Amino acid sequence: KAGVTQTPRYLIKTRGQQVTLSCSPISGHRSVSWYQQTPGQGLQFLFEYFSETQRNKGNFPGRFSGRQFSNSRSEMNVSTLELGDSALYLCASSLSQPSETQYFGPGTRLLVL
Amino acid sequence: AQSVTQPDIHITVSEGASLELRCNYSYGATPYLFWYVQSPGQGLQLLLKYFSGDTLVQGIKGFEAEFKRSQSSFNLRKPSVHWSDAAEYFCAGASTGGGNKLTFGTGTQLKVEL
Repeated sequence: KAGVTQTPRYLIKTRGQQVTLSCSPISGHRSVSWYQQTPGQGLQFLFEYFSETQRNKGNFPGRFSGRQFSNSRSEMNVSTLELGDSALYLCASSLSQPSETQYFGPGTRLLVL
Repeated sequence: AQSVTQPDIHITVSEGASLELRCNYSYGATPYLFWYVQSPGQGLQLLLKYFSGDTLVQGIKGFEAEFKRSQSSFNLRKPSVHWSDAAEYFCAGASTGGGNKLTFGTGTQLKVEL
C-alpha cells in the first residue's frame, strides 16, 4: 500500500509570493490533516479535512488555507508569504476517527527568502 | 487549554541501556495519546497509541508506554536502546471528540552513545 505522498518535497519562495502544497493520502483514507513544524514553535496543527469539509482548524492566520478534493487529495495554500512561514509542512492521513492511526508523509520543506 | 509537555529536550543514553522519555498531558477528559518518532529529514512514524483499556501499551521497535491517570503521564520506555534509536521523539494527544487534531509536545532529542 503506498504511503502518504507530498509534493513538492522542497520549495524556495520569496516574501509576498504564494505557494500551494499537495498531499495525496493513503488509498481509502478520508481524513487529511496538515501540520507546520518549525524549530521555534515545534509541531502545530493547521487544519483537518474530512470528506471535502474542514473539520478542525488551528490557530493560524487566514493566509493559510486548504481544501480537499473528492478523491481525498488535499492542498494547502499560503498567500503573501512571510519569512516566518519557512518550515516543514507535514500532511497526515487516516480513515476517519482519532482512534485510527494517522500516517504522516515526508513533508514539504518551504524556505521563504 | 489542552497541552502535552515533554520536560526533557535532550537525553543521552549508552547503547544497551534502558530508556524512559517523559510525557505529561493536560486535557479535560482522558485523551487519546500517541508517541511518534522522527528521524532527520523524515516524517513522523507512529510508535504506539493509547485509547483505553490496558494501561501498558506495546509498540513497534520494542517500545512500550504506560498510561498513568493519577500522574497525567504517558512515558515511553525501552529496556535496551540501539544506536539506530537515535532520533527525535514526540508525544501527542487528541481529544476523544475533536477529530484528528493532534497536540504535540516539544519533542525529546535522543542521542545514543556507542
